[in-house]
Amino acid sequence: EVQLVESGGGLVQPGGSLRLSCAASGFTFSSYWMSWVRQAPGKGLEWVANIKQDGSEKYYVDSVKGRFTISRDNAKNSLYLQMNSLRVEDTAVYYCARQISCSSTSCSNNNWFDPWGQGTLVTVSS
Amino acid sequence: QSVLTQPPSVSGAPGQRVTISCTGSSSNIGAGYDVHWYQLLPGTAPKLLIYANTNRPSGVPDRFSGSKSGTSASLAITGLQAEDEADYYCQSYDSSLSGSVFGGGTKLTVL
Repeated sequence: EVQLVESGGGLVQPGGSLRLSCAASGFTFSSYWMSWVRQAPGKGLEWVANIKQDGSEKYYVDSVKGRFTISRDNAKNSLYLQMNSLRVEDTAVYYCARQISCSSTSCSNNNWFDPWGQGTLVTVSS
Repeated sequence: QSVLTQPPSVSGAPGQRVTISCTGSSSNIGAGYDVHWYQLLPGTAPKLLIYANTNRPSGVPDRFSGSKSGTSASLAITGLQAEDEADYYCQSYDSSLSGSVFGGGTKLTVL
């Protein structure tokens, strides 16, 4: 079974740091781009960052550039998100998700996310 | 303010058909980028419903269908069931932002 399990969320003060982890199983982790997506309380989904199969390319939403770092360890089938200088507005459930651009029957000109993990809650508050 | 615009809520009685719209611009849907749809149930992982505008993953009932035209896309759900009550999100890519973008989400209520 293809599965993603996040961990590392919790309560942190503004300006603090947190490292999220995502353990992948049931597929060849090193063959896929991976992403972090978040959902703030009462808000919609927001893509946060993604990373290429070998870690050579990384992209971020503007609001987290310079503060968050995405990384991966293909030997451990794990994805990470290092979050520094956290702000109250970073409070959200953080999901890791596998990016796919082709199924067995069709391809897309942009990636979709499947599967997603259950998410881990990050609360930034004093 | 989400890059893709969805109605905040839609509703329908069991057995009825509802549609959820997703409106973008010339830098995302209008630029030809595909649209994907997800279902979010409280406490569960988001689930892929439709990919590349019209395609259903295995296991998704054919009551769910997607379409795209111009700068907009739509998700249609026929034969509404109580279990369909959830939040639905569209997703595409935006060339000016250089990243994936989502709609603000639509809450479906089954009356």
